[in-house]
Amino acid sequence: KAGVTQTPRYLIKTRGQQVTLSCSPISGHRSVSWYQQTPGQGLQFLFEYFSETQRNKGNFPGRFSGRQFSNSRSEMNVSTLELGDSALYLCASSLHAGDNEQFFGPGTRLTVL
Amino acid sequence: AQKVTQAQTEISVVEKEDVTLDCVYETRDTTYYLFWYKQPPSGELVFLIRRNSFDEQNEISGRYSWNFQKSTSSFNFTITASQVVDSAVYFCALSEAYIYNFNKFYFGSGTKLNVKP
Repeated sequence: KAGVTQTPRYLIKTRGQQVTLSCSPISGHRSVSWYQQTPGQGLQFLFEYFSETQRNKGNFPGRFSGRQFSNSRSEMNVSTLELGDSALYLCASSLHAGDNEQFFGPGTRLTVL
Repeated sequence: AQKVTQAQTEISVVEKEDVTLDCVYETRDTTYYLFWYKQPPSGELVFLIRRNSFDEQNEISGRYSWNFQKSTSSFNFTITASQVVDSAVYFCALSEAYIYNFNKFYFGSGTKLNVKP
C-alpha cells in the first residue's frame, strides 16, 4: 500500500508570492493533518481535515489555509509569503477522525527568498 | 496546556551501546495519548509507538522499549544495542483524547541520536 505522498518535494518562492502544497493520504484514510517544521519552533500543528471539513486549527495566521477534496486529497495554501514561512511542511493521514495513529509523508521543503 | 519536553538535544553513542531518550509531558487531561516518531534525514516521520494514558505497561519491540510512568509524567524510549541505522531525530508527542483534538499533536523539540560505528 502506498504511503502518504506530498508534492512538490521542494519549492522556492519569493516574499509576497503564494504557494499551494498537495497531499495524497494513504488509500482509505480520510483524515489529513498538516504540520510546519522549523528549526526555531519545531513541529507545529496547522490544521486537520476530515470529510472535506476543517476539524481543527492551530495557532497560525489566516494566510495559512487548506482544503480537502472528496477523494481525501488535501491542499494547503500560504498567501503573501514571508521569510519566516520557510519550513518543512508535513502532511499526515489517519483512517478517520477518531483514529490518531498518523502516518506522515516526506514533506515539502519550502524556501522563501 | 499541553507540553512535551525532550531535554536531550543531541546524543552520541558508539554502536552496540544502549541509549535512552527522555520525554516528559505536561497535561491537565486524565486521558491522553503519547507517541514516539523517528525522523531520518529524508524528513519523513516514522511512527514507532502509540500509548494511551490508561495503559502503563512497558512495551518492547525488538531492540526498542518504552517506559511509561504517569507518576513522573515520563515516556522514555530505550534502544538496546544501537546500530548506525538508528541515527535520526526522535520526537515524542502528546495528543488529547477529546475526539476533535485526536490528531492535534504536541511535539517535543526532538533528540538527535548519532550512532557511530
